[in-house]
Amino acid sequence: EAGVAQSPRYKIIEKRQSVAFWCNPISGHATLYWYQQILGQGPKLLIQFQNNGVVDDSQLPKDRFSAERLKGVDSTLKIQPAKLEDSAVYLCASSGKRDTQYFGPGTRLTVL
Amino acid sequence: GQQVMQIPQYQHVQEGEDFTTYCNSSTTLSNIQWYKQRPGGHPVFLIQLVKSGEVKKQKRLTFQFGEAKKNSSLHITATQTTDVGTYFCAFRRMGLRGSARQLTFGSGTQLTVLP
Repeated sequence: EAGVAQSPRYKIIEKRQSVAFWCNPISGHATLYWYQQILGQGPKLLIQFQNNGVVDDSQLPKDRFSAERLKGVDSTLKIQPAKLEDSAVYLCASSGKRDTQYFGPGTRLTVL
Repeated sequence: GQQVMQIPQYQHVQEGEDFTTYCNSSTTLSNIQWYKQRPGGHPVFLIQLVKSGEVKKQKRLTFQFGEAKKNSSLHITATQTTDVGTYFCAFRRMGLRGSARQLTFGSGTQLTVLP
């Protein structure tokens, strides 16, 4: 069974630029999550999708962050414009009928 | 708001020694999960505990959920260098609408095993 795929693995941008991350969850998993993990901290949930609907986006900075999962499979997370404090690893995870979350390798974002 | 503390933040042990990390909550938890994240890697699910007083074992790892469902521990017997990484507890709040399904991660315990 293929795991959660994410791209790119690394991204370096300057502040005020835009960036987008892509996630392909495990086949058949209805729930998809985006987390932000700042160095030395635990992952923080940004947004949770159930199929193509948003379940929880209470911690998503909506003035600059957006996410979509149009067909209920792949998802993209966008930051526009980026700030220095957005430097972090962005993790995508998916879960099926069980509560177990399977994480992708993450995208390490550096904002200069 | 709900306070969950994970301690210690760092732990250095000699290979062969035991290791324990704790998650302590100020309120009752619905369930608790434990994840391991290797350096440079992503979190990997280890176990979920749901019942009061539950104890589960995976080889050298023992997981406990307190009777009051307010605390949990992960104990590793006779650590090996392969145990190196950060161990996170992750929990769901009990009895709250709306955000009840959100999984919140603790701050993690970073384990270093010295050969």
